Amino acid sequence: DGGITQSPKYLFRKEGQNVTLSCEQNLNHDAMYWYRQDPGQGLRLIYYSQIVNDFQKGDIAEGYSVSREKKESFPLTVTSAQKNPTAFYLCASRLTGGYNQPQHFGDGTRLSIL
Amino acid sequence: QKEVEQDPGPLSVPEGAIVSLNCTYSNSAFQYFMWYRQYSRKGPELLMYTYSSGNKEDGRFTAQVDKSSKYISLFIRDSQPSDSATYLCAMRTNTGNQFYFGTGTSLTVIP
Repeated sequence: DGGITQSPKYLFRKEGQNVTLSCEQNLNHDAMYWYRQDPGQGLRLIYYSQIVNDFQKGDIAEGYSVSREKKESFPLTVTSAQKNPTAFYLCASRLTGGYNQPQHFGDGTRLSIL
Repeated sequence: QKEVEQDPGPLSVPEGAIVSLNCTYSNSAFQYFMWYRQYSRKGPELLMYTYSSGNKEDGRFTAQVDKSSKYISLFIRDSQPSDSATYLCAMRTNTGNQFYFGTGTSLTVIP
């Protein structure tokens, strides 16, 4: 089945530790996005990528890093510089170009501090 | 002022009721409008996708866009307990790569 797979579903981070969240899609979508969701704040954009080997910062990129080495994959690293990482992280993807397609989402990773 | 405003609720209705969910926005350049449904601990699922003004119907769901008032709505007819979820509106401009989301409205349909 085509879709967006995020792993793991739950992740715990210790102080000073970097953790990486995985996002893989087999929809042949060009663009991929990372959002953070906190209660009462909606979705906030962390990073997005329109093509392989290129990505742009969103509204809250500080303390996060990404890579886009393959079209199918857009991993997010939450670094120790992110002081409040506890949140629900959502990955999305979409077709771009002339298609004007909406985003489709994975089922998220919940990150907590140990 | 946020780009997109959405009443967080919570909204509680009896089964079979008509539900009206709404968002307002400030950027007149928004052209594409979406409604997502999000169940607890899951990712948002696309319900409706519309371009510019007008209505779009899909089963029990109707999306309306009024660009002159910068106001969008989602109507759910004959609401079911399985409709209990958080509903997010989203929008973007014709050429932009970013999407702008409301904070979501929590809906409970009581059997």
